Amino acid sequence: DAKTTQPPSMDCAEGRAANLPCNHSTISGNEYVYWYRQIHSQGPQYIIHGLKNNETNEMASLIITEDRKSSTLILPHATLRDTAVYYCIVNNYGQNFVFGPGTRLSVLP
Amino acid sequence: NAGVTQTPKFQVLKTGQSMTLQCAQDMNHEYMSWYRQDPGMGLRLIHYSVGAGITDQGEVPNGYNVSRSTTEDFPLRLLSAAPSQTSVYFCATRKVNNSPLHFGNGTRLTVT
Repeated sequence: DAKTTQPPSMDCAEGRAANLPCNHSTISGNEYVYWYRQIHSQGPQYIIHGLKNNETNEMASLIITEDRKSSTLILPHATLRDTAVYYCIVNNYGQNFVFGPGTRLSVLP
Repeated sequence: NAGVTQTPKFQVLKTGQSMTLQCAQDMNHEYMSWYRQDPGMGLRLIHYSVGAGITDQGEVPNGYNVSRSTTEDFPLRLLSAAPSQTSVYFCATRKVNNSPLHFGNGTRLTVT
């Protein structure tokens, strides 16, 4: 079973920030938080990952709480092309990635 | 650098036929895996490999065989296709550390 909990769906207005939450209250000290997204039936696309510090790349920012029990993926200026299913996964090498149902993000014009 | 390449992109089989889905990677990743995704559902792990000569079962291995004779290739074999195996199949790879999983573009399989 997936070790994360995400809302099943969210809406966001185009041009606004999309904040996608993820709960991972049972995360262990050496597990990373990964975010992926899947557009239509394409292969899942890696977005970002982190251990305990906040991370930022050209696609998004990842904010991990100090107790590491939850995180938020931030898309700073959502576009229609960001409409997708977003998956939050906790993983340490030696484990397999377990995908839950994710959050279906709809970016509205 | 092609990344993860899956062939074919589409395949239609009749019940009882056999086929092999191909996965090749040029990133020298030790870990390779196969997932299936049914309509409206998440990805489920079929088989995985942590290196050449080593394979193991995932969540839904029944009806599928794998082998890993080289680092680059990880074929998935359906010995006797069933309609329940109609799905989209994804191959994914990663290096031996806390690095992201890289996915191919998938093979859409229909069994009639």
